[in-house]
Amino acid sequence: DIQLTQSPSFLSASVGDRVTITCRASQGISSYLAWYQQEPGKAPKLLIYAASTLQSGVPSRFSGSGSGTEFTLTISSLQPEDFATYYCQHFNGYPFFGGGTKVEIK
Amino acid sequence: QVQLQESGPGLVNPSETLSLTCAVSGYSISSSYYWGWIRQPPGKGLEWIGTTYHSGSTYYNPSLRSRITMTIDTSKNQFSLRLSSVTAADTALYYCARVRWSNAAVLYYFDYWGQGTLVTVSS
Repeated sequence: DIQLTQSPSFLSASVGDRVTITCRASQGISSYLAWYQQEPGKAPKLLIYAASTLQSGVPSRFSGSGSGTEFTLTISSLQPEDFATYYCQHFNGYPFFGGGTKVEIK
Repeated sequence: QVQLQESGPGLVNPSETLSLTCAVSGYSISSSYYWGWIRQPPGKGLEWIGTTYHSGSTYYNPSLRSRITMTIDTSKNQFSLRLSSVTAADTALYYCARVRWSNAAVLYYFDYWGQGTLVTVSS
């Protein structure tokens, strides 16, 4: 089975920082790759799908890239509302999620 | 505006069946999207439970397949989940979501989510 490993699992950053979160697959995967943001006490929110397509309404400071076994979510300039947990998700016969990356205020 | 709302008992006895319903508003459940359930144990990550389509087709997480039944009611614009023989390990926040799935376009993602409902398994 394919595994998704997110790194780091925890990240401390400041407002204005450029942040990159990585999602590594245990084997090469297609671009069925999505990213979600989950604020405390809220449902996940779709940010990126098809590895690099920005969901409608999501700020342009979020971007996704990658192929093969390594995919990244980048926040170009961290805003106060971006402190949350981020998950990647892939589909290989059925959907499954990475373990999450928690972004906290430094 | 697509909205999803989960409903069901917040407390279920061990070995019994968990039943949840997701009411969809602002979008017809009979259209071209799929509909899914995802859960999140307290303090942990996300786990897909299953996905259904208005045709009645269902797709279940292999690890839960023997205990899951998903149904869809197009007349009420809602879909439901039943999880049998529950244990404390099934205690989680349960979310319903709209699913965009296209193998031709290499797409599978959850674009609208309900707020979630906490189900605790305990006697």
